[in-house]
Amino acid sequence: DAKTTQPNSMESNEEEPVHLPCNHSTISGTDYIHWYRQLPSQGPEYVIHGLTSNVNNRMASLAIAEDRKSSTLILHRATLRDAAVYYCILNTGNQFYFGTGTSLTVIP
Amino acid sequence: KAGVTQTPRYLIKTRGQQVTLSCSPISGHRSVSWYQQTPGQGLQFLFEYFSETQRNKGNFPGRFSGRQFSNSRSEMNVSTLELGDSALYLCASSWTGTSSGANVLTFGAGSRLTVL
Repeated sequence: DAKTTQPNSMESNEEEPVHLPCNHSTISGTDYIHWYRQLPSQGPEYVIHGLTSNVNNRMASLAIAEDRKSSTLILHRATLRDAAVYYCILNTGNQFYFGTGTSLTVIP
Repeated sequence: KAGVTQTPRYLIKTRGQQVTLSCSPISGHRSVSWYQQTPGQGLQFLFEYFSETQRNKGNFPGRFSGRQFSNSRSEMNVSTLELGDSALYLCASSWTGTSSGANVLTFGAGSRLTVL
């Protein structure tokens, strides 16, 4: 039932910005776009979410396309601790549809 | 405040046995959801409970069941274990009782089940 599409893996150099893309062409008007990340041997942790407008928090920024069919998670300065699997998720009511995620490698 | 607590963290069972996993949500959170994570299938939604009622169910066989208690703690049970049930079982809690809006999940560290 995954409704999002993400690249399997991406690499970034340390201290450089990272743009993680996500396609969600079947998004409905009330779906929120969430991003979670999972570090090795841990459960996923919340990163950011939004509905229509771009969002910023201390961890990242979320840029949502005008038609809402895609979004981009932006890590402004990647650190080694940001190496994780990043999941783009649509929140439909009380269900979260996780895709396969993007494995981010940060190169020192 | 305390996070989401899952017990046990690791367990080994044999085929045909059953297993019960426990999840204690963050205090004040009334929604508890369960996910199965395997290398091949990724994170898959099992079910979600709110106020002791199952509100949503994923596409899993009836061998997978759950319940929620009046204190919001939740358990999930898998009967007649199969080798393919080996996975990390994750529990997540959230506060909201609304069916729309942004629900932010807080996950536990998971229970890793190995079926031999």
